[in-house]
Formats: sequence, structure tokens, C-alpha cells
Amino acid sequence: GENVEQHPSTLSVQEGDSAVIKCTYSDSASNYFPWYKQELGKRPQLIIDIRSNVGEKKDQRIAVTLNKTAKHFSLHITETQPEDSAVYFCAASRYGGSQGNLIFGKGTKLSVKP
Amino acid sequence: DVKVTQSSRYLVKRTGEKVFLECVQDMDHENMFWYRQDPGLGLRLIYFSYDVKMKEKGDIPEGYSVSREKKERFSLILESASTNQTSMYLCASSSRGYRGRKETQYFGPGTRLLVL
Repeated sequence: GENVEQHPSTLSVQEGDSAVIKCTYSDSASNYFPWYKQELGKRPQLIIDIRSNVGEKKDQRIAVTLNKTAKHFSLHITETQPEDSAVYFCAASRYGGSQGNLIFGKGTKLSVKP
Repeated sequence: DVKVTQSSRYLVKRTGEKVFLECVQDMDHENMFWYRQDPGLGLRLIYFSYDVKMKEKGDIPEGYSVSREKKERFSLILESASTNQTSMYLCASSSRGYRGRKETQYFGPGTRLLVL
């Protein structure tokens, strides 16, 4: 079955710096890769996702890249702000399947220091 | 706006009690999921359901059961609560992803369960 590994588990950056979180997956058939942000005491919320027919996707300060050959994908946050502090989860799924299962990484706790 | 609600935010139960956690979604989603979240372990899938009365085991189903009698409602049942089931429980729902609908999972606010 699918396995998703996420690194690092914790990341501390200065405000304004960039942050990069990396994930690898094992099932080459996986073709949908969402990223979730979970602020303290709140529910996980989707911030960006990418499908396997696209190599990169950007939304303002957030971008995700996907390397299907190497089976890894990364989240890039530029110009970090204190409100970016949260736990970030990557996930991998099979697109179009009736079950829509997501396999999550263990999470990265990002701290942005003012 | 998608809304996923859970019956309780905090719950305290005693060992051996039967515990019901309920999740309701209002987006006509086919898929519903129950996860538990523990520090350092991320989100682990307990059970999921892709249709009414259908259920599938996830990664950690032992000690849990589920019920889906209506499309909008998915219940998690702890038959006999134990202290190692103390955790945050998150429900989620998603569309099947056909006809242009995204299969994004939307989460409920979570239920923090303490078993004494």
C-alpha cells in the first residue's frame, strides 16, 4: 500500500525567509497530492494541491512541486510570516477512485520567528 | 461553504464505557472518514465509508466500529473504551471526484476524548 514520508518534523525560520517541506510516496499510481495546514486547536484545512499531470502549482506565497520520477513532492512557502506557524501535512491519494483515500505524512511543525 | 460538524469538542469517559462520536456533513459527499490524531503520529485512518451502509477498515480499526445509516452522518463507536484510545478524533468528508467535483477532504473540528 501507499506510504508517505515527510521531512523535517520541525522547522524554524525567521520571518521573511523561505520554508521548504518535503514528502516522498511509494505508490507510483498515486496521482493527487494535497497539502493541509493545521493551526493550533483548529481543524486541518487544504492550502494547495497538485495532480500528477502537473509539475508545479503556485498560489501567492505558496507553491508545490512534484517529481513523479523520483516520487517526491515539496511545499515551498516564501516570505514567511508569523501566521504561517502551524503544522503542515502532506498526503497522497488515488485520483478518480471511489474511495478517495488519503495517506498522510506525519506532519511538520513550522515556527516562524518575528 | 462546506460544513462538517462533530457532536462533541471534548469528552471524558471511563474505561469500559461505550462511546459514540458522531459526524455530520452538509455537502452531499459520498465519502466519509474517521481519523485519530496523536502527537508525532500524524493522522491515522480508522475507518472510512464511500456510500451509505458501506464501510472499510483503515490502518487502525481495532477497538472501533462505525455506522453509516444516512449519507450525511457517520458514527464512530468505541465498544469498550480503553485508556490508549485517549486521542483527538477527526472526521472528514469528500466527494468522489467525478463530474468536476474535487475530492478534497474537509475536516470537522475534532473531538478530544479522554478515557480515564
